[in-house]
Amino acid sequence: DAGVTQSPTHLIKTRGQHVTLRCSPISGHKSVSWYQQVLGQGPQFIFQYYEKEERGRGNFPDRFSARQFPNYSSELNVNALLLGDSALYLCASSSRTSGASTDTQYFGPGTRLTVL
Amino acid sequence: RKEVEQDPGPFNVPEGATVAFNCTYSNSASQSFFWYRQDCRKEPKLLMSVYSSGNEDGRFTAQLNRASQYISLLIRDSKLSDSATYLCAVDGGFQKLVFGTGTRLLVSP
Repeated sequence: DAGVTQSPTHLIKTRGQHVTLRCSPISGHKSVSWYQQVLGQGPQFIFQYYEKEERGRGNFPDRFSARQFPNYSSELNVNALLLGDSALYLCASSSRTSGASTDTQYFGPGTRLTVL
Repeated sequence: RKEVEQDPGPFNVPEGATVAFNCTYSNSASQSFFWYRQDCRKEPKLLMSVYSSGNEDGRFTAQLNRASQYISLLIRDSKLSDSATYLCAVDGGFQKLVFGTGTRLLVSP
C-alpha cells in the first residue's frame, strides 16, 4: 500500500511569494496533520484536518492556511513568505479522528521549502 | 519549561553497545506517546508506540513512567544502521503531536 505522499519534494521561492504544498494520506486514513520542521528542531504542529474541517491549529500566523478535500487529500498554503519559513513541511495521516488523545501518525517524505 | 524535552546529544557509542534515551514531558494529561526515528533530511518514521506497560520490539524497548512524566528508549546491541536522530512525541490532544528536539545517536565501528 502507498504511504503518505507529498508534492513537490523541493521548492525554492523568494520573500513575499506564496506557496501551495500538497498531501495525500494513506488509503483509508481520514485525518491529515501538517507540521513544520526547521533545522535542528523537532516538527511543530501547524494544522489538523478531518472531514474537510480544521480540528486543530498550532501557533502559526494567519499567513498559513490549509484545506482538506472530499478525497481526504490536503493542501497547505503559505502567503507572504518570509526567510524564516524555510523548513521541511511534513504531512502526517492517521486513521482515528475522534477522541481526545492522539493516534499514531505516519509521515510523508516532506516538502523542503527554501525561501530566498 | 518546554512541553517535551530531550537531550540533543550526540550520543557516540560503539557497535554492540546498549544506549538509553530519556524524554520528559510536562502535560500530565497526555495519553499516547511515541518514538520516531529520523534520518538526515528524511521524514520521521515510527519506531514504537509506548504503552503503559512498556513496549519491546526486538532490540528496542520503550518504557513509560507517568509518575515522573518521562518515557525512555533503550537500544541493545547497537548497529551502525541505528545512527539517526530519535524523536520523542507526546500526545498534545486531538491528533496533535508535540515533539522534542530529538536525540542524535552515532554508532561507530
